[in-house]
Amino acid sequence: DAGVTQSPTHLIKTRGQQVTLRCSPKSGHDTVSWYQQALGQGPQFIFQYYEEEERQRGNFPDRFSGHQFPNYSSELNVNALLLGDSALYLCASILSGTGGGRTEAFFGQGTRLTVV
Amino acid sequence: QKEVEQDPGPLSVPEGAIVSLNCTYSNSAFQYFMWYRQYSRKGPELLMYTYSSGNKEDGRFTAQVDKSSKYISLFIRDSQPSDSATYLCAMSHANFGNEKLTFGTGTRLTIIP
Repeated sequence: DAGVTQSPTHLIKTRGQQVTLRCSPKSGHDTVSWYQQALGQGPQFIFQYYEEEERQRGNFPDRFSGHQFPNYSSELNVNALLLGDSALYLCASILSGTGGGRTEAFFGQGTRLTVV
Repeated sequence: QKEVEQDPGPLSVPEGAIVSLNCTYSNSAFQYFMWYRQYSRKGPELLMYTYSSGNKEDGRFTAQVDKSSKYISLFIRDSQPSDSATYLCAMSHANFGNEKLTFGTGTRLTIIP
């Protein structure tokens, strides 16, 4: 069973450009969360997608947007890149619980984005 | 003030020592408390979780939660070089898979052989 896969692993972009990051969740998982982890910091919640809709959102500007496809894979888009957007972007794959019971978030390896 | 505070370290201890990692938090609505381990260039992996107050043990790892003090701890006994990693505490309000996780900054731990 493949785990959570993210692509690309690394990329370098210029200020003002746009970027798209991709995530394939674990087999059978229907929910994807995205986190931003700046160097030396803990991950910060960006948003979560379930049934192709944004279900929750953290304190990130509208430059950050996402999408979930019918096969549950997801994309994170960032427009008008700033130097401060340089970070490790993590995707977490979740099987949404139904009426209780613990569910666990499995993280991918991340995409390291450098904005120059 | 951050919702979750964690000493970033770095922390270096000799092999075999007992390691104590801690976090404090300010939001009393947190009910699920987790510890993640993150190796260099990898994503976080869940080590342990605890619901509400109490202790939980798993092999060499023990997690403690004191909700009255808003303080959580992770103890590692008989530490091994393979335990060298960054340890992140995380918290959520409800069923922690579906809810957003609020992380501490992480403590970088090195076990010296």
